[in-house]
Amino acid sequence: AQSVAQPEDQVNVAEGNPLTVKCTYSVSGNPYLFWYVQYPNRGLQFLLKYITGDNLVKGSYGFEAEFNKSQTSFHLKKPSALVSDSALYFCAVRDTGSGNTGKLIFGQGTTLQVKP
Amino acid sequence: KAGVTQTPRYLIKTRGQQVTLSCSPISGHRSVSWYQQTPGQGLQFLFEYFSETQRNKGNFPGRFSGRQFSNSRSEMNVSTLELGDSALYLCASSASGGASYNEQFFGPGTRLTVL
Repeated sequence: AQSVAQPEDQVNVAEGNPLTVKCTYSVSGNPYLFWYVQYPNRGLQFLLKYITGDNLVKGSYGFEAEFNKSQTSFHLKKPSALVSDSALYFCAVRDTGSGNTGKLIFGQGTTLQVKP
Repeated sequence: KAGVTQTPRYLIKTRGQQVTLSCSPISGHRSVSWYQQTPGQGLQFLFEYFSETQRNKGNFPGRFSGRQFSNSRSEMNVSTLELGDSALYLCASSASGGASYNEQFFGPGTRLTVL
């Protein structure tokens, strides 16, 4: 069965410092991986995805993620954090076991706190 | 393009009642998925509709149901509400038939409180 793990409930970083939010996955085939961000009382906003190709994926708002097949990881990164990046971040994998469907399996989420 | 819209944004019901939530996808998107978000269980998949057909269903009791109309708008219904149904219900739409590699675009959610 597909699964996603986000080992850190919260990540704290100072503004201007690089940030990393960790994600590991378990899938039976080729992974389709996604990162979403959620601000308070809002829905999820798409940041980036990995389908195939270059292991370094660039997304919205200066975020990028590195796909590592051997470590089954898809960590989210940003070179210089902003206070406005403070939010709840979700890693997700597409459930390819159900065929070509839209079912996403989400990690538990990581709260990113960027301090001025 | 307008984003995914959900109505109502907030809802308060009592146990035993039923509720219907509505979702309008992004224009041209025919795949609509529903998720339940709670502090304890996180984000859980409810079901997905494509071209008025339920394509996939999560592990929720039969009290949870949905449908999709010919204009791709979707509704979900929860009957005989329980306290544990209190959650943020998120709708998401996807382009190109909802192919696995397409990202989903989420609405702002409907916050359901069951008293």
